[in-house]
Amino acid sequence: KAGVTQTPRYLIKTRGQQVTLSCSPISGHRSVSWYQQTPGQGLQFLFEYFSETQRNKGNFPGRFSGRQFSNSRSEMNVSTLELGDSALYLCASSFGQGGQTQYFGPGTRLLVL
Amino acid sequence: AQTVTQSQPEMSVQEAETVTLSCTYDTSESNYYLFWYKQPPSRQMILVIRQEAYKQQNATENRFSVNFQKAAKSFSLKISDSQLGDTAMYFCAFMKPYTGANSKLTFGKGITLSVRP
Repeated sequence: KAGVTQTPRYLIKTRGQQVTLSCSPISGHRSVSWYQQTPGQGLQFLFEYFSETQRNKGNFPGRFSGRQFSNSRSEMNVSTLELGDSALYLCASSFGQGGQTQYFGPGTRLLVL
Repeated sequence: AQTVTQSQPEMSVQEAETVTLSCTYDTSESNYYLFWYKQPPSRQMILVIRQEAYKQQNATENRFSVNFQKAAKSFSLKISDSQLGDTAMYFCAFMKPYTGANSKLTFGKGITLSVRP
């Protein structure tokens, strides 16, 4: 089976712009979670989607949003980018919920100038 | 809220030797899931091992094994016969039991492991 894929892999944006990141889960997986990784804050949970519904959300401002499509692919959007949004954004998929192992994609590295 | 602590920021080990990475966590739950992930320089997060808290037997996966001490809330990872490819950042992670709305992973800060040739 193919692993989790994320596009794009690298992105450079300027402050005030918006960005959309995409994640395709492992075939058959219905749950997608997003994490932000920075040197200062480490790995922080953004949100989780299952069956096109947001099931859980981390402590991030409303500028961060996401959605999941009927084929389980997910996108996350960050509006009005700030310098502090520069990070590695990781997507993880699992078969379902409830203690299922999450498998990660290669990440999207976002640099905000 | 659950917390995961990895107190050793860096460790170094000679190739072919054994190394143990420490992790402690804090939770009031009785059933939960623990994981070790590795993140090599490529930044790809790779699952190393998983442990269910209700299982008394320690999980093993080839050269990787854990020492799960539930009462002490300790979850250490032992890497035997270290290889150069084990050089990576290792994260300990906790997942609460499923309650209908929470399957997120809570990560520790990570430990950078260097394997010396």
